[in-house]
Amino acid sequence: KNEVEQSPQNLTAQEGEFITINCSYSVGISALHWLQQHPGGGIVSLFMLSSGKKKHGRLIATINIQEKHSSLHITASHPRDSAVYICAPRASGSRLTFGEGTQLTVNP
Amino acid sequence: GAVVSQHPSWVICKSGTSVKIECRSLDFQATTMFWYRQFPKQSLMLMATSNEGSKATYEQGVEKDKFLINHASLTLSTLTVTSAHPEDSSFYICSASGAGGSNEQFFGPGTRLTVL
Repeated sequence: KNEVEQSPQNLTAQEGEFITINCSYSVGISALHWLQQHPGGGIVSLFMLSSGKKKHGRLIATINIQEKHSSLHITASHPRDSAVYICAPRASGSRLTFGEGTQLTVNP
Repeated sequence: GAVVSQHPSWVICKSGTSVKIECRSLDFQATTMFWYRQFPKQSLMLMATSNEGSKATYEQGVEKDKFLINHASLTLSTLTVTSAHPEDSSFYICSASGAGGSNEQFFGPGTRLTVL
């Protein structure tokens, strides 16, 4: 069993839809990153959170440390949101463990 | 803030040659830098962790003599792929942490290496 499980693996949505990507992990963590990787390969750190909820524009990330679960939500999705979203818990120090990623495609 | 750059963004080289990739933190001092490799359709794989002024810590299975890492300053780390072979073709990404005393990692744009 992978230490980090993301679902779904692939997600296709229509522009404007509300999107949720889930992440479950099996180890104790100090924080969790949500990353965005565009087709060109570059990675952007969207959030780092260790409790509760964070919001940035149309993106919302939540985490439940007790349940070892985090979610990334995108409101009013747009084709430019199409990318791979990666959940990356941090167990200790700075070391990250990466999920397999969720490929999101938003159609106009 | 917290911008990390990589150079070059892509490189094509002949088998047997060495390739150096630079990773720079542009607006903060990076106490720790990380080097990752990513094959198509796969997740990032940590290759090594380097702290400024000390030897890099390599992950199991990563040949330290093949992938030379230098972290000579708080804003620059280099990865040299020595005697590159086609199987070394991959996407190499660095990240850096230390901005504002935080452990948050900021990622570079990556370098695509193709070995012919």
